[in-house]
Amino acid sequence: EAQVTQNPRYLITVTGKKLTVTCSQNMNHEYMSWYRQDPGLGLRQIYYSMNVEVTDKGDVPEGYKVSRKEKRNFPLILESPSPNQTSLYFCASSFRDRHTDTQYFGPGTRLTVL
Amino acid sequence: QKEVEQNSGPLSVPEGAIASLNCTYSDRGSQSFFWYRQYSGKSPELIMSIYSNGDKEDGRFTAQLNKASQYVSLLIRDSQPSDSATYLCAVKAGANNLFFGTGTRLTVIP
Repeated sequence: EAQVTQNPRYLITVTGKKLTVTCSQNMNHEYMSWYRQDPGLGLRQIYYSMNVEVTDKGDVPEGYKVSRKEKRNFPLILESPSPNQTSLYFCASSFRDRHTDTQYFGPGTRLTVL
Repeated sequence: QKEVEQNSGPLSVPEGAIASLNCTYSDRGSQSFFWYRQYSGKSPELIMSIYSNGDKEDGRFTAQLNKASQYVSLLIRDSQPSDSATYLCAVKAGANNLFFGTGTRLTVIP
C-alpha cells in the first residue's frame, strides 16, 4: 500500500529535550515536506527536500532541522524544543512536474512541549 | 497579506444542497491550484486540482479558476453528511512553494 508513515503519532516532551520525528514514504517520490498545522494559521511549510541531500527552508524553519540521506526518509529534528513548537506536524511526499504537485500526507504527529 | 485566504466558516448547508467554497490568492504568477479535504483528526487529502481558467468537474465536485480575479472556488453538488470536513485551498507559487489557506469548515446537515 502506498503510504507516508510518521512516528511517533503523539509525543509529550519538555523544553530543551532534543527529539526526532521520523517520516518515511514508499512511493519513490523525490519531493518531501514537513508542515505544521495550528488553529487559525493553517498548514505552514517548515522545510522541504527536492531529492537526496537537497533541502531548503519553507515558511517557518526556525527551531527545526531536517536531513535527507535516503530517498524514502525525511526526519524532522527539534534540537531544543520550546512550547511554541507545540503543534500538529505533517510529513508529505509528492510527485511533481510543471503543474502537478499532489501532496500525500502522513497521519500526523501531535507534539506537546511543556 | 496572507498568500492564500479563505473564509474560515463554519459553512452549513442542508443535505442535497450546493456548497460553495471560496479562496483568493495574492501571487499573480501562481499556476497551480488545489483543494484538499481534511476530516477532523485526519490528514489532508487531495480532491481537486486546476491549472487553467474556467471550470473543472469531477463527479459532484467542480473547481472554478479565475486568474484575472485571483480567485478559485470549489462547488460541491448534492452535498452529503460525509462531505462535512474542513476544505483547504492550496496554491503553488514558484517552483517549490505551496501555500495553504486556513481552511473552511463545512457542515452538511441531514
